[in-house]
Amino acid sequence: DAKTTQPPSMDCAEGRAANLPCNHSTISGNEYVYWYRQIHSQGPQYIIHGLKNNETNEMASLIITEDRKSSTLILPHATLRDTAVYYCIVRVEGSGTYKYIFGTGTRLKVLA
Amino acid sequence: EAGVVQSPRYKIIEKKQPVAFWCNPISGHNTLYWYLQNLGQGPELLIRYENEEAVDDSQLPKDRFSAERLKGVDSTLKIQPAELGDSAVYLCASSQGWGQETQYFGPGTRLLVL
Repeated sequence: DAKTTQPPSMDCAEGRAANLPCNHSTISGNEYVYWYRQIHSQGPQYIIHGLKNNETNEMASLIITEDRKSSTLILPHATLRDTAVYYCIVRVEGSGTYKYIFGTGTRLKVLA
Repeated sequence: EAGVVQSPRYKIIEKKQPVAFWCNPISGHNTLYWYLQNLGQGPELLIRYENEEAVDDSQLPKDRFSAERLKGVDSTLKIQPAELGDSAVYLCASSQGWGQETQYFGPGTRLLVL
């Protein structure tokens, strides 16, 4: 079962910041939060990941709440090419191995 | 740097026929994953390899699915015989391993079983 909950869809105006929320209330202390996106007919593309601290890279920022029960992916200046399904994933550890548990994601549509 | 390569990109077969998918991971990546993605759903892990060893195949339907990763590089996923419900996208991903677990995905193989 997915360990994350995301809104099924969101719209964002081109040039504005897109803020994608994710709830992961059952996350354990050593489980990372990963974000991927999937553009139509392509494989998922890595965006960013974090454990406790906020993270930023050239693609996005990840804000994780202090209790780690939720996070927000921020695309600072959304473009039409950012239209995709965004997956918030908890990386689960167990039996000496790691596993990504994908949910159904948020379908982001960037509007011109 | 080349990404994960998968072939074929598309495959149409009739039910009860066999089918095979091939994956070449990113050079130097020790860990390889096969995922199944149904329409409108997120990917689901089928099997994970550490080098040549399948370390997690608990979600692989072993009655009809098989996989191998000879020499710890390329991998093949096979379905025999295929059923209508196997129509989906089959994704391959790889990661460096040894704590560097960010996975990089290939474009997938879209299978249609008629």
